[in-house]
Amino acid sequence: EAGVTQSPTHLIKTRGQQVTLRCSPISGHTSVYWYQQALGLGLQFLLWYDEGEERNRGNFPPRFSGRQFPNYSSELNVNALELEDSALYLCASSLEGRQETQYFGPGTRLLVL
Amino acid sequence: AQSVTQPDIHITVSEGASLELRCNYSYGATPYLFWYVQSPGQGLQLLLKYFSGDTLVQGIKGFEAEFKRSQSSFNLRKPSVHWSDAAEYFCAVGPKAAGNKLTFGGGTRVLVKP
Repeated sequence: EAGVTQSPTHLIKTRGQQVTLRCSPISGHTSVYWYQQALGLGLQFLLWYDEGEERNRGNFPPRFSGRQFPNYSSELNVNALELEDSALYLCASSLEGRQETQYFGPGTRLLVL
Repeated sequence: AQSVTQPDIHITVSEGASLELRCNYSYGATPYLFWYVQSPGQGLQLLLKYFSGDTLVQGIKGFEAEFKRSQSSFNLRKPSVHWSDAAEYFCAVGPKAAGNKLTFGGGTRVLVKP
């Protein structure tokens, strides 16, 4: 069974640009979560999507947004990139009815110059 | 608010020796508890989880963890470490509510000496 997949694996952007990160959950999983792992800040919860709706949001500005598609895949969009947005962005998914257990993808490493 | 503390930022252990990683949490009730491992450049892999019942939980790769309510702790142990166990380990808590966010500790980086 394929795990959570994320694309791209790495990308480099400049300040002020916009970026879109993609995530495909494990087959059968309906919830998708996004986390940011930045140097010195640890792993922080960004967003939770379930059944196409944003269900919960971490303490991040509105320029961090996303969506979930009917096939349960998800995108994370970050507008007006800032240097401190450089981080590993991790996507996780969970099974309907078993949303307490999250399985993570390999992450997308974003560098903002 | 819930929080997780991993007091040890780095631990160095010899191959074949035992390993114990500490985790303390703060939460109003008994949360769901997790240990994840992150190898260099990789995502997080779930090692084990505790929801209820037996306080000693067995996980993958020979790891186990013990939940101690009185100490608000969920320490991870392995009796004999292998070089491939060198990685960063994260303890996490999640409320007993569907789909809620995980709160992670700061992580403990484990180095394994030959």
